Amino acid sequence: ETGVTQTPRHLVMGMTNKKSLKCEQHLGHNAMYWYKQSAKKPLELMFVYSLEERVENNSVPSRFSPECPNSSHLFLHLHTLQPEDSALYLCASRRGLADEETQYFGPGTRLLVL
Amino acid sequence: GESVGLHLPTLSVQEGDNSIINCAYSNSASDYFIWYKQESGKGPQFIIDIRSNMDKRQGQRVTVLLNKTVKHLSLQIAATQPGDSAVYFCAENTGGQNFVFGPGTRLSVLP
Repeated sequence: ETGVTQTPRHLVMGMTNKKSLKCEQHLGHNAMYWYKQSAKKPLELMFVYSLEERVENNSVPSRFSPECPNSSHLFLHLHTLQPEDSALYLCASRRGLADEETQYFGPGTRLLVL
Repeated sequence: GESVGLHLPTLSVQEGDNSIINCAYSNSASDYFIWYKQESGKGPQFIIDIRSNMDKRQGQRVTVLLNKTVKHLSLQIAATQPGDSAVYFCAENTGGQNFVFGPGTRLSVLP
């Protein structure tokens, strides 16, 4: 609906697993974001990419590793996660970083770490 | 650091009534503000935005008011409908890549 898709929509993983979240935007935007949304907390910015270059790493633990191979795709590689990492992970895209324009969000991946 | 939002988790309104959802921001340098709606199982969806050179902006059934003097933002929904039930977030932007989001308010529309 928004032009931003995320897969998988739901993911259950053990603490020793390695998994990846995928985000794709079909809007021709240049900036992409990863957010974490936990219960009863505001959206937390994790990473920002502009033209495939990381411009923001908001003190995210190294067990989260982003990858942006091109301006349409964004990945979040997960390894040795903790139960407290269970949350909704949202991807968003934006035309640029300097524009007074909104972000467009994907539907999110609901992650449960056991 | 910056903070956005009032800790007002739930608002219940009767169907057909008007809803007002409030948000406070602390960064006086913020110059762009957005309201999002998030329904269960979905990502946040853009509703309306406003720039700091305006104090009011209207959309379809929604109005955003900005009071820079007291750093307050509100979202008014006219003739609230069951489909308006969702969590509403405000967000502020200082012109860079970062947005600061409020905690959200859950709007429940009563039949």
